[in-house]
Amino acid sequence: QKEVEQDPGPLSVPEGAIVSLNCTYSNSAFQYFMWYRQYSRKGPELLMYTYSSGNKEDGRFTAQVDKSSKYISLFIRDSQPSDSATYLCAMKRDGNNRLAFGKGNQVVVIP
Amino acid sequence: EPEVTQTPSHQVTQMGQEVILRCVPISNHLYFYWYRQILGQKVEFLVSFYNNEISEKSEIFDDQFSVERPDGSNFTLKIRSTKLEDSAMYFCASSVLAGGPETQYFGPGTRLLVL
Repeated sequence: QKEVEQDPGPLSVPEGAIVSLNCTYSNSAFQYFMWYRQYSRKGPELLMYTYSSGNKEDGRFTAQVDKSSKYISLFIRDSQPSDSATYLCAMKRDGNNRLAFGKGNQVVVIP
Repeated sequence: EPEVTQTPSHQVTQMGQEVILRCVPISNHLYFYWYRQILGQKVEFLVSFYNNEISEKSEIFDDQFSVERPDGSNFTLKIRSTKLEDSAMYFCASSVLAGGPETQYFGPGTRLLVL
């Protein structure tokens, strides 16, 4: 079983729609969960960071973690064309430096 | 806003040649990382570096790879004898702290093509 799984299928939504992305993981030692956004020809940029089960909101973005199911989600409300990017989930263990990434979802928001 | 910078943005090399990828981490950061992303695949951890030593490395980071902080600002990744499968985007990252809920800040990457 892969350590972090993220269905890499591209996602096209109309402007204003809710975007829903998710990742599953197998390693119960992961304690810190991140969503990175990557624009074309740029490096990953941290979007959201959580380390406990539950929801965390930041503007139009909500990150959700369910440690019992080993499942994390990112929701983007009122999506904008500027949200068009690849979204990568990432996670790490406490006391460890390496980030384990999902494959990424390419999101296109159509005006 | 401070950012991680990387040079060159693109590098083309012949198989068997040595390449050095350069990074300037954010100035007050103490931990430095290299990741790579082969086209269509996940971003993969290569190595982390702190206090002039490798603190952790992955299975990918074998003897053909080395890292160095040659001065107070640069952090380099050397690939001694490049192979075709080393073709990838290489990202440098840095963080203030490590081991806990710290944020790793990524550079824009160097696209390496080995012919």
